[in-house]
Amino acid sequence: DVVMTQSPLSLPVTLGQPASISCRSSQSLVYSDGNTYLNWFHQRPGQSPGRLIYQVSNRDSGVPDRFSGSGSDTDFTLKISRVEAEDVGVYYCMQGTHWPYTFGQGTKLEIK
Amino acid sequence: QVHLVESGGGLVKPGGSLRLSCAASGFSFSDYYMSWIRQAPGKGLEWVSFINDGSRYTSYADSVQGRFTISRDNAKNSLYLQMNNLRAEDTAVYYCARGTRAVAGPWGQGTLVTVSS
Repeated sequence: DVVMTQSPLSLPVTLGQPASISCRSSQSLVYSDGNTYLNWFHQRPGQSPGRLIYQVSNRDSGVPDRFSGSGSDTDFTLKISRVEAEDVGVYYCMQGTHWPYTFGQGTKLEIK
Repeated sequence: QVHLVESGGGLVKPGGSLRLSCAASGFSFSDYYMSWIRQAPGKGLEWVSFINDGSRYTSYADSVQGRFTISRDNAKNSLYLQMNNLRAEDTAVYYCARGTRAVAGPWGQGTLVTVSS
């Protein structure tokens, strides 16, 4: 199985400051169709996960533009330009290139 | 808008069975692959299974292969997960989700399955 490794696992951030989460895969995530199926999810406490970013860098409808995704092959990053209170929770990267699809361990973002 | 509602969870003894359901609305259900994803209490996310739009193709995680069966009824806009020979490690919130590789939101609220004697 493809192992997705996130860092850091805990991310205390001051409101208004930037934040960055790294996600590394144990294999290349480039699929045979040329797409890279790396997604980012956000799970607020007590809620189900919601997708933020799909195929590395495409923001979902309604996701603020302070969120951005980047990377390629095995190395990916989610960045928040200015953290707001509603951004707390756990962030997961997920690969949809190799079955079984797998998630990272999660990064818990909290406000300092 | 897209709405997914899971049901059927509950407390079951080891070795028992449960059938989860997911009622879908707000999109053309029959056009989409569908998935089940689970989250053990306080833990991360694990893909369980998916099924293609026409029910011809399914895939399962090794941890549930041979014990779980995914199915769908496009006429009823419903997705199912038959879970047999349940184990303590199957205890989790089970979510249904639209799609696979770029699994889309929103997910349902989930249904809790607890396997305990």
